[in-house]
Amino acid sequence: GDSVTQMEGPVTLSEEAFLTINCTYTATGYPSLFWYVQYPGEGLQLLLKATKADDKGSNKGFEATYRKETTSFHLEKGSVQVSDSAVYFCALSHNDYKLSFGAGTTVTVRA
Amino acid sequence: GAGVSQSPRYKVAKRGQDVALRCDPISGHVSLFWYQQALGQGPEFLTYFQNEAQLDKSGLPSDRFFAERPEGSVSTLKIQRTQQEDSAVYLCASSYTGLSTGELFFGEGSRLTVL
Repeated sequence: GDSVTQMEGPVTLSEEAFLTINCTYTATGYPSLFWYVQYPGEGLQLLLKATKADDKGSNKGFEATYRKETTSFHLEKGSVQVSDSAVYFCALSHNDYKLSFGAGTTVTVRA
Repeated sequence: GAGVSQSPRYKVAKRGQDVALRCDPISGHVSLFWYQQALGQGPEFLTYFQNEAQLDKSGLPSDRFFAERPEGSVSTLKIQRTQQEDSAVYLCASSYTGLSTGELFFGEGSRLTVL
């Protein structure tokens, strides 16, 4: 079945540091790929998505590229802020309603 | 309200008790989803509604779990005879259409602890 493996946390960074969270997946065919983020005290919210190979999703300075050859969708941000402290979830979907999530990566950014 | 609202936010139940968790989706959202998130894990799919129709309940872990959305708006997830392994955060999400054309909007979840 489908599965998502993402980098274990927690990750602690200083402001303006470069952030990478690795995500790889196992799935048949061509799933859509997502990054969701959960800020403290809030619900999960979509950060970015990509629906086909080589697509790049981007939002709020974050980027991720759908790499079919390496079955990966790594999340990157060039200069993090304290407000980026959150739990980040990589996810995939084959259809239009069922998401398979990774375990989540907790990121803490220090001033 | 502007977002997905879930209640109660926290629930402590004794083993064997029945519990009911409520979800108020964003007004006008056709699709509604329930997910279960165990401690330190990602959310896992439980069930999906389109309006009042339950189109997929394949993720419900046992027949003690039951979900309904009788009028195509508010949904209730009921767990009968709770067990300790049911302890988790139960997330509700809604979408105007489906995932392929729109994002899911999640509530903050209901944290269930079974003693």
